[in-house]
Amino acid sequence: GENVEQHPSTLSVQEGDSAVIKCTYSDSASNYFPWYKQELGKRPQLIIDIRSNVGEKKDQRIAVTLNKTAKHFSLHITETQPEDSAVYFCAHRGGSYIPTFGRGTSLIVHP
Amino acid sequence: GAGVSQSPSNKVTEKGKDVELRCDPISGHTALYWYRQRLGQGLEFLIYFQGNSAPDKSGLPSDRFSAERTGESVSTLTIQRTQQEDSAVYLCASSLTGGAGTGELFFGEGSRLTVL
Repeated sequence: GENVEQHPSTLSVQEGDSAVIKCTYSDSASNYFPWYKQELGKRPQLIIDIRSNVGEKKDQRIAVTLNKTAKHFSLHITETQPEDSAVYFCAHRGGSYIPTFGRGTSLIVHP
Repeated sequence: GAGVSQSPSNKVTEKGKDVELRCDPISGHTALYWYRQRLGQGLEFLIYFQGNSAPDKSGLPSDRFSAERTGESVSTLTIQRTQQEDSAVYLCASSLTGGAGTGELFFGEGSRLTVL
């Protein structure tokens, strides 16, 4: 199947702390793993993505790691800021080529 | 265009009525997707169009749901005989290519449907 499990559903941190969101998938054909951020009342927007030929990708305070053997990938946000507060969705593209999304993680960063 | 455009942004309808939602993708994007997002939930795939290929309708929840796309432009999602459980935000997204080359999805602002 192409389901993706995302945890936690809610994550509350203090400003400056790190946040980690994890996703697991089952489709061994998956080769593209994007992360989207959805602010309240706004559209989801891509923040970072990784393809299966690399294990880690970093963009300033955001990084994504991929373990293809274990079939899981994670989003890491360092030095969190209040504007990082949003819902984050992991997704993957499997054999059907249709991006499948996780249920989302609501990140709350307390000033 | 500047981005994916959806209309209406909000629609309130009575149970049993039909509704039509419209999506204008980014010009030149061959792939178009419809997703449904219930309150506090994830994105549930509905239907996928890629170029002139037959659409992938595997996510449509019932035969009350249908969608069309004219070439590589506008798409409409139609819900017949609406039910209260159809209440959700319907998100449209487009990407430059589909299939194995699928990359970033660009989402519209969504159409919020409320069925009374």
